[in-house]
Amino acid sequence: DAGVTQTPRHEVAEKGQTIILKCEPVSGHNDLFWYRQTKIQGLELLSYFRSKSLMEDGGAFKDRFKAEMLNSSFSTLKIQPTEPKDSAVYLCASSLGDLDTQYFGPGTRLLVL
Amino acid sequence: GDSVTQTEGLVTLTEGLPVMLNCTYQTIYSNPFLFWYVQHLNESPRLLLKSFTDNKRTEHQGFHATLHKSSSSFHLQKSSAQLSDSALYYCALGGSALGRLHFGAGTQLIVIP
Repeated sequence: DAGVTQTPRHEVAEKGQTIILKCEPVSGHNDLFWYRQTKIQGLELLSYFRSKSLMEDGGAFKDRFKAEMLNSSFSTLKIQPTEPKDSAVYLCASSLGDLDTQYFGPGTRLLVL
Repeated sequence: GDSVTQTEGLVTLTEGLPVMLNCTYQTIYSNPFLFWYVQHLNESPRLLLKSFTDNKRTEHQGFHATLHKSSSSFHLQKSSAQLSDSALYYCALGGSALGRLHFGAGTQLIVIP
């Protein structure tokens, strides 16, 4: 079975640009999560979907970050406009739900100049 | 709200010595699930072990942890550290919001020869 896939693996953006990150969860998983990972803040939850419904939208990230789940097998995270402080690794994870194991994708490393 | 505290940001150990990484949590949920995720360099986090049973030892890959609800703790232990144990370890709490996990700040473990 394929694991969680994320594209692109690396992204370089100029300040003010719009970027879209993509994620395909493990087939059959009901829960999908977007996280931001930095050395200082660790893992921060950006969005959480259950069966395509948005369950939680990380408060501090609402203004420029928008995650969508277009169907059960595809999700996007849009950052608009980007700022240098958005430089981080963005991780997508999925699980069957109900506190089952979360499986993480390889991540997208974003650098905003 | 729910939270997880990992008191050590960095632990450096000599190979062969025992490992103990601390994790305490706060939640109003009476049946919390606790997890340890491990992230090796240039990899994504993956589940190491999990538990929701009070006072029961859980083991995996030489590591073990016991959930103690009386002290709200879920410390990770290993009897003898190996060089390959060098990684970032996250403790996480679930139980009050469907599949959502609250991650601690993480503990970087470095094992030296």
